[in-house]
Amino acid sequence: KNEVEQSPQNLTAQEGEFITINCSYSVGISALHWLQQHPGGGIVSLFMLSSGKKKHGRLIATINIQEKHSSLHITASHPRDSAVYICAVRGSARQLTFGSGTQLTVLP
Amino acid sequence: NAGVMQNPRHLVRRRGQEARLRCSPMKGHSHVYWYRQLPEEGLKFMVYLQKENIIDESGMPKERFSAEFPKEGPSILRIQQVVRGDSAAYFCASSPDQGALGNTIYFGEGSWLTVV
Repeated sequence: KNEVEQSPQNLTAQEGEFITINCSYSVGISALHWLQQHPGGGIVSLFMLSSGKKKHGRLIATINIQEKHSSLHITASHPRDSAVYICAVRGSARQLTFGSGTQLTVLP
Repeated sequence: NAGVMQNPRHLVRRRGQEARLRCSPMKGHSHVYWYRQLPEEGLKFMVYLQKENIIDESGMPKERFSAEFPKEGPSILRIQQVVRGDSAAYFCASSPDQGALGNTIYFGEGSWLTVV
């Protein structure tokens, strides 16, 4: 079993829809990151969470430490949101452990 | 303030050659991480360095791979005698602190290595 599990693996939505991507992890962590990767492109850190909830524009990230679960929400989705979204956790060691990513496609 | 700079962005090497990938962290960042993303796979940790020190290399293949972060200059990931299986995207990331809460991590654009 992977330490970090993401769901769904693939997600297709119509423009304007509300999107949720889930991340569950099995280890104790000091922080959780949500990352965005465009095709052939670099990686952008969207959020770093250790508790609660953060919001940036149309993006919202939540984390429940007790349940070892985090969600990334996108409100009013747009085709430019199409990308791979990756959950990554940082435990006692300083490196990140990554989920396998969620490929999001938003259709116009 | 420039971000994390990686070069080259794309590199083609023949089997048996050496590949050198460079990473300049963000200004003020003293912690560098290298990650590898194999085709159709997720990102995997390779090595964590501070200036002149390898802190954690538990993700590095035992042979042919090495990394350094000298006192002056960029961090370098070196792959000797490359094989086709080394073809991947190699990402560098940096942070200003070992990981204090509130300090996020910044990724470079990646270096895509193709071994032919």
